[in-house]
Amino acid sequence: TQLLEQSPQFLSIQEGENLTVYCNSSSVFSSLQWYRQEPGEGPVLLVTVVTGGEVKKLKRLTFQFGDARKDSSLHITAAQPGDTGLYLCAGGGDSSYKLIFGSGTRLLVRP
Amino acid sequence: EAGVAQSPRYKIIEKRQSVAFWCNPISGHATLYWYQQILGQGPKLLIQFQNNGVVDDSQLPKDRFSAERLKGVDSTLKIQPAKLEDSAVYLCASSLLYEQYFGPGTRLTVT
Repeated sequence: TQLLEQSPQFLSIQEGENLTVYCNSSSVFSSLQWYRQEPGEGPVLLVTVVTGGEVKKLKRLTFQFGDARKDSSLHITAAQPGDTGLYLCAGGGDSSYKLIFGSGTRLLVRP
Repeated sequence: EAGVAQSPRYKIIEKRQSVAFWCNPISGHATLYWYQQILGQGPKLLIQFQNNGVVDDSQLPKDRFSAERLKGVDSTLKIQPAKLEDSAVYLCASSLLYEQYFGPGTRLTVT
């Protein structure tokens, strides 16, 4: 069974601080996605990484896919209150387009 | 482009009652997913459709849950009879490939 573990589970930081969220698995994934979910809404896709070692930047967010395609990280620079939400990683492994979701990291950025 | 639509947004029922959720995916998306998201956890896939055929329903509690996708477009998820542990947010998503687009979800409370 493929599992994705995220850490930390919860993070409370002050506006302007930097943070990193981790997503780890013992399984290899052909793609890794990051979603952000706000209360009362469905997850919204932030990025998809498909190549081992790949790094993608989205404004203040930097996403990295591990060389072995078993892990990923999300780094946020100068966090803002608008970054508050549940961050979910999801791995794709086969041609069925099925995703395995991690348990999420709940981020609170205090003004 | 319209997003994934779900209804109702909220539902409160008593245990042993039945309930149905409706989902209208993004036009042209062949793949449709139903997820269960328990508070504090990541989404768990219940069933995946490709057009109107079932791709994966391995985690669907078939003794009480059923789902159908008529004509490969709209889908309905039903629970009968509901249990207390079914209290969760039920998310519908659709996709062309790996990138899934989620609806706002239905929050179900079973009392």
